[in-house]
Amino acid sequence: ETGVTQSPTHLIKTRGQQVTLRCSSQSGHNTVSWYQQALGQGPQFIFQYYREEENGRGNFPPRFSGLQFPNYSSELNVNALELDDSALYLCASSAIGTTFGGGELFFGEGSRLTVL
Amino acid sequence: AQSVTQLDSQVPVFEEAPVELRCNYSSSVSVYLFWYVQYPNQGLQLLLKYLSGSTLVKGINGFEAEFNKSQTSFHLRKPSVHISDTAEYFCAVSDRVASYDKVIFGPGTSLSVIP
Repeated sequence: ETGVTQSPTHLIKTRGQQVTLRCSSQSGHNTVSWYQQALGQGPQFIFQYYREEENGRGNFPPRFSGLQFPNYSSELNVNALELDDSALYLCASSAIGTTFGGGELFFGEGSRLTVL
Repeated sequence: AQSVTQLDSQVPVFEEAPVELRCNYSSSVSVYLFWYVQYPNQGLQLLLKYLSGSTLVKGINGFEAEFNKSQTSFHLRKPSVHISDTAEYFCAVSDRVASYDKVIFGPGTSLSVIP
């Protein structure tokens, strides 16, 4: 069973640039959630994708966008990067139907973004 | 909207001593509760979860948690900790919104086990 994989693991960008982060979900999982974890804080929900559509979003501006592909992998795109976007970005996959009612999220190891 | 409070940001404890990590959540009609652990430079891993039924939930690595509806708490306990338990621990609640469940995490508690 292949777990959740994310790429790249680390990257450095400058303010105003754009970044794309990638996530391959665990085998058999059809739902992907993205979280932002700033240093010393808990993960903050960005959005969730199911059947290639966004079906839930947290308090993040529109410059945070995403995609889900037919193989359930996903991308997180952030435009016009700001210094406060520096964080660990975590992808979590789950199987729809189990998330409703408390299913387990399976996390990747994250992509650490530094914005200078 | 749901929120989660973890009162202790850091908890140092000696090896083989018991530990309790505290978690409180805002009230809701239907709530599902979780504890996740994050080891250094890794993603989060589920320790245990409460969906319904018995208020005492047992998880992996000898951890357990007790759901207390009247106090809106879900404290995590372990009777004897090991060095390998040193990690960040996150309490989380599932907030059912519209057609999906959004999992909301607390700020975390850093557990340091002292030899």
